[in-house]
Amino acid sequence: GAVVSQHPSWVICKSGTSVKIECRSLDFQATTMFWYRQFPKQSLMLMATSNEGSKATYEQGVEKDKFLINHASLTLSTLTVTSAHPEDSSFYICSARRLEGTGETQYFGPGTRLLVL
Amino acid sequence: GESVGLHLPTLSVQEGDNSIINCAYSNSASDYFIWYKQESGKGPQFIIDIRSNMDKRQGQRVTVLLNKTVKHLSLQIAATQPGDSAVYFCAENGRTGTASKLTFGTGTRLQVTL
Repeated sequence: GAVVSQHPSWVICKSGTSVKIECRSLDFQATTMFWYRQFPKQSLMLMATSNEGSKATYEQGVEKDKFLINHASLTLSTLTVTSAHPEDSSFYICSARRLEGTGETQYFGPGTRLLVL
Repeated sequence: GESVGLHLPTLSVQEGDNSIINCAYSNSASDYFIWYKQESGKGPQFIIDIRSNMDKRQGQRVTVLLNKTVKHLSLQIAATQPGDSAVYFCAENGRTGTASKLTFGTGTRLQVTL
């Protein structure tokens, strides 16, 4: 099956610093990737859609200057949490869309746990 | 607004029994539905999907049923095993023009007892 990786798997940082999370599709090319956020015991909430070669599309209520997304290649998207604060602590999950036959499937990464002190 | 919801937040079943996890969706225009399994501290894992032109699809030990009349989706797991213990999410794929995105339900925790 399709493999999506994330790096780092967990990170602890001080308040005010920026953190970059990478999402890679290892065995397929993905023109579209997605970034989700998940709080404990809650569902996944879509933050933004990352499009290769163009600007990301952010969901309502998500600050684009706070969560910078770059989709530099067909296998890599990055999410940078700028000036992180404790309320940004969460589980960040990316997914990559792969075209399959007549349809498409999203494959998810293992997630990145961010703790802001 | 559009939503995908689940009837039961927690389901406890005995090992070997069949499990049924239900999901209601509200967007009648959704054309694709997926069930994901998420273990603690990990990302969602694809289980099975179904397109809106189908009402049933079977995989290995899993079956997804789609009832478009009442906007209901279910996941059936046969002979539930301890390794099936996880949170299960249904997701619907909605389209706006050429763009599509998944909307996740609230999740059901499946607990398998010995």
